[in-house]
Amino acid sequence: AQSVTQLGSHVSVSEGALVLLRCNYSSSVPPYLFWYVQYPNQGLQLLLKYTSAATLVKGINGFEAEFKKSETSFHLTKPSAHMSDAAEYFCAVSHNNNDMRFGAGTRLTVKP
Amino acid sequence: DTGVSQDPRHKITKRGQNVTFRCDPISEHNRLYWYRQTLGQGPEFLTYFQNEAQLEKSRLLSDRFSAERPKGSFSTLEIQRTEQGDSAMYLCASSLALAGTDTQYFGPGTRLTVL
Repeated sequence: AQSVTQLGSHVSVSEGALVLLRCNYSSSVPPYLFWYVQYPNQGLQLLLKYTSAATLVKGINGFEAEFKKSETSFHLTKPSAHMSDAAEYFCAVSHNNNDMRFGAGTRLTVKP
Repeated sequence: DTGVSQDPRHKITKRGQNVTFRCDPISEHNRLYWYRQTLGQGPEFLTYFQNEAQLEKSRLLSDRFSAERPKGSFSTLEIQRTEQGDSAMYLCASSLALAGTDTQYFGPGTRLTVL
């Protein structure tokens, strides 16, 4: 069975600092990997997805993630945090899209 | 706006009552998914439809949960005899099935509170 683990339920950075949110996956077949963002009282918005085309995936709002098979990781980064980035971030894995598994989420706080 | 919509956004009910939630997907999307999200957790897959066919329902939480998509457009999720443990956010997503993987687009959710 596939699963994801998000390391760190809460990450706090200063405005302008690097954002790094960690995600490790487990899958017996080549996975599809996703990062979603959720703002308070809203649904999930897709940031980016990996579908084996390229290991470095660029998403919206300046975020990107790198698929590293050897490390079974798909960490999310952004060079410079903005106050508007404060939200909950979810990593998800799927191999047939009928059974998407989400991590528990990482809450990002951005300090002024 | 042509995104996924859900109604109602909030529902408060008493234990033992039945509740029904509606989801309207993006118009050209043929797949529709239901998830449950509890506080501090990621979404948990419940069921999904391709057009009007419910292709996966083994992950529905109990026989009190049921979903329909009668005409392959909107969908409803019903919870019968609600329990306090059913309190959660219920999310709907839709996608257009293509070769490979398709991207799921989420609605704003329905927050259920069972008193």
